[in-house]
Order: sequence, then C-alpha cells, then structure tokens
Amino acid sequence: EAGVAQSPRYKIIEKRQSVAFWCNPISGHATLYWYQQILGQGPKLLIQFQNNGVVDDSQLPKDRFSAERLKGVDSTLKIQPAKLEDSAVYLCASSSTGALTEAFFGQGTRLTVV
Amino acid sequence: EDQVTQSPEALRLQEGESSSLNCSYTVSGLRGLFWYRQDPGKGPEFLFTLYSAGEEKEKERLKATLTKKESFLHITAPKPEDSATYLCAVQASGSARQLTFGSGTQLTVLP
Repeated sequence: EAGVAQSPRYKIIEKRQSVAFWCNPISGHATLYWYQQILGQGPKLLIQFQNNGVVDDSQLPKDRFSAERLKGVDSTLKIQPAKLEDSAVYLCASSSTGALTEAFFGQGTRLTVV
Repeated sequence: EDQVTQSPEALRLQEGESSSLNCSYTVSGLRGLFWYRQDPGKGPEFLFTLYSAGEEKEKERLKATLTKKESFLHITAPKPEDSATYLCAVQASGSARQLTFGSGTQLTVLP
C-alpha cells in the first residue's frame, strides 16, 4: 500500500515570498491533516479535511495560510506572504473514517524562510 | 483544551538498559492515545493505539500501557536502532478526530 506522498521535500524562500506544498493521501482515506512541526516540538494541527470539507482550521493563520482539497483527494497548503517564523516542517497525514483512527504521515516538507 | 506532556525531554541509555517514557494527558473524553516514532528528517511512524485504561500493546522491544491520566512506553533491552524521538498524541471523543501531540522524548541508545 502506497503511503502519504508530499512534495517538495525541501524549500528555501525569502520572507514575503509565497510557497505551496502538495499532498496525496493514502488511497481511500477520507480524512486529511496538515501539521506544522517546529524544530524540537511536536506537530501542531493547522487544518483538517474530511473529504473536501474543512472540519477544523482554528489554528490556521488565515491571513497568510490557505489550504484546499479538491475532489476530496489531493491537497495543497499555501503560505503568502511567508515570515521567518514559518520555518518548520509541514507534515501531511491521512486516516480512514472507520474504527481504526490512526493517522499515517508523509515525510514532510522542510521550509526555510530567510 | 486537550493537553499532552511528555517526559523526560531527552533520555540516553546504554544498549540493553531498560527504561520507560511517560505521557501525561488531559482530554475531554479519550477516544484514543497514539504512540509514534520519528526519525530525523522523516515523518512520524505509527506504533500503537490504546483506547481504554488497562490496555497494553507490544511490538518487539516496546510495550505501551494506558491509565486514565497517563501512558507509558516501556523499552526493554534497547538497541541503538531504537534511537529516535517518540511522540505521544491524544484524540478526543467526537466526530472531529484531531490529534494533539506532546513535544516528544528524544531517545539515544549508546552501543
């Protein structure tokens, strides 16, 4: 079974530029998450989708971050404009909606804002 | 608000020296508690799910246990390849299914 795919793996941008990350979840997983992981910390939820609807985006900085999940499959997370404090690893995860609720993670995109 | 606290922050063990990692949690109705392993430069890798107090799960040298307030990850006779950051997360009851993570325990096993 293929895992969660993310791209790019690494990205370096200057502050005030924009950037986009892509995620393809495990086939058949209705729930998709985007997490931000700052060095030395645990992942923090940014946004959660169920199919193509948003379940929770309470911790998403909506003035600069946006996310969409078209057709309930792939998802894109965008930052515009980026700030230095956005430097982090952005993790995508997916889970099924059945009894087994564990989430499976991609390798992440490491963003460095200079 | 759901909270997860992991201790210690870092742990260094000699190969074969058994120990335990702690995860204390506060959640409004626990749906599940999850343990993940994270290697440098990689995403978290799922290890265990625990659903109710008293439950135990084992995998190779790892055993996870759960009480109403905390979970332990016991590591028996660890090997250098067990070196990683171990993350604990809770999922509250309800339809949302968000995971709230702790900051992790960075485990180093010396040969």
